[in-house]
Amino acid sequence: EVQLLESGGGLVQPGGSLRLSCAASGFTFSSHGMSWVRQAPGKGLEWVSSISATGGSTFYADSVKGRFTISRDNSKNTLYLQMNSLRAEDTAIYYCAKIAVTGMWFFDYWGQGTLVTVSS
Amino acid sequence: EIVMTQSPATLSVSPGERATLSCRASQSVSSNLAWYHQKPGQAPRLLIYGASTRATGIPARFSGSGSGTEFTLTISSLQSEDFAVYYCQQYNNWATFGGGTKVEIK
Repeated sequence: EVQLLESGGGLVQPGGSLRLSCAASGFTFSSHGMSWVRQAPGKGLEWVSSISATGGSTFYADSVKGRFTISRDNSKNTLYLQMNSLRAEDTAIYYCAKIAVTGMWFFDYWGQGTLVTVSS
Repeated sequence: EIVMTQSPATLSVSPGERATLSCRASQSVSSNLAWYHQKPGQAPRLLIYGASTRATGIPARFSGSGSGTEFTLTISSLQSEDFAVYYCQQYNNWATFGGGTKVEIK
């Protein structure tokens, strides 16, 4: 059974940093690209970032480019999102999601999400 | 950036009735279109990909159609567990989601 378990969310002040983790199991992690998708309170879904299976290619939404860094450790089956210079508008539930097919960014499995609140 | 627009924002339907949801892309996304639904407090779940292919375990009452810029998700006979928010997502050029359609009980 595929499982994705996010952690690392919490309350942080504007300008602060946070690192999210996503522990994966139930599939060959090193064979699949992964993504982060966020959802602001009461709002829709927003793609944030993706990373290739090897970690050699990374992609970011304009809203987070230069502030967030996606990475992965295939030896630990874990995906990360380093978030710096956080803003109030980054407040959201952050989901990690498994890319179903290489090169096609639709998501067949999602974690339950971790809440990030940016507030003073 | 490809903008995805869903309509209506809210759809009121009685159990057992048919629901038709629309999704429009600002430019062609070919058939690179997925549908998800999301229940309160839960993560999204993949329903349809490739515009018309049901994901594993998705009942046949869900069907998708369309290509290019116009897409439709049809739920042939709404069950209680189908009342949720539905999102379309294009993956022809990175990934963008529509704003969602809430399907509520009439």
